[in-house]
Amino acid sequence: DAGVIQSPRHEVTEMGQEVTLRCKLISGHNSLFWYRQTMMRGLELLIYFNNNVPIDDSGMPEDRFSAKMPNASFSTLKIQPSEPRDSAVYFCASSQGQLYGYTFGSGTRLTVV
Amino acid sequence: QQQVKQSPQSLIVQKGGISIINCAYENTAFDYFPWYQQFPGKGPALLIAIRPDVSEKKEGRFTISFNKSAKQFSLHIMDSQPGDSATYFCAARRYQKVTFGTGTKLQVIP
Repeated sequence: DAGVIQSPRHEVTEMGQEVTLRCKLISGHNSLFWYRQTMMRGLELLIYFNNNVPIDDSGMPEDRFSAKMPNASFSTLKIQPSEPRDSAVYFCASSQGQLYGYTFGSGTRLTVV
Repeated sequence: QQQVKQSPQSLIVQKGGISIINCAYENTAFDYFPWYQQFPGKGPALLIAIRPDVSEKKEGRFTISFNKSAKQFSLHIMDSQPGDSATYFCAARRYQKVTFGTGTKLQVIP
């Protein structure tokens, strides 16, 4: 199994541009989590899905952020418009359910200039 | 509100020594306490985990000690090796939401 796959690994964009981050879950996993990691705030949960349904998006910082899970194996996190303070490493993680721990992807390092 | 407090922020240990990282939590509804290890440029990886009805769990050189009454838990790394140099995160889970500590950067020197 290739694990959780995120793309791109690095993204540099100008303020105001739309950014889309992508995540492919491990086959058989039914829960998907998006986290953001910064030096100041550590690892923050943004949103999570169970069986393609968003369960808790209370961590999404603003309406500029949106996440979708169009099928059981794929998710996107979109920021529109992007701002410099969105610069961070964004991780997605998947799990088989409540009894199991997360498997994280390698992250997308986003830089907004 | 920081629900999981972790210390120290950084730690330097000599090869062969014991590394100890401490965490405290506030919410008694947490039902699962994992530790994650993160290397530079990688995502966190699950290292070891414990449930609150167990006071200790050991896997190889890694041991979690859990004190439910004090709402504290700790990670001990025995015979620390340079390859253990990484950032370690304690965490606590309620339902499926995992809240992470702020991380401890461990450096094991030869």
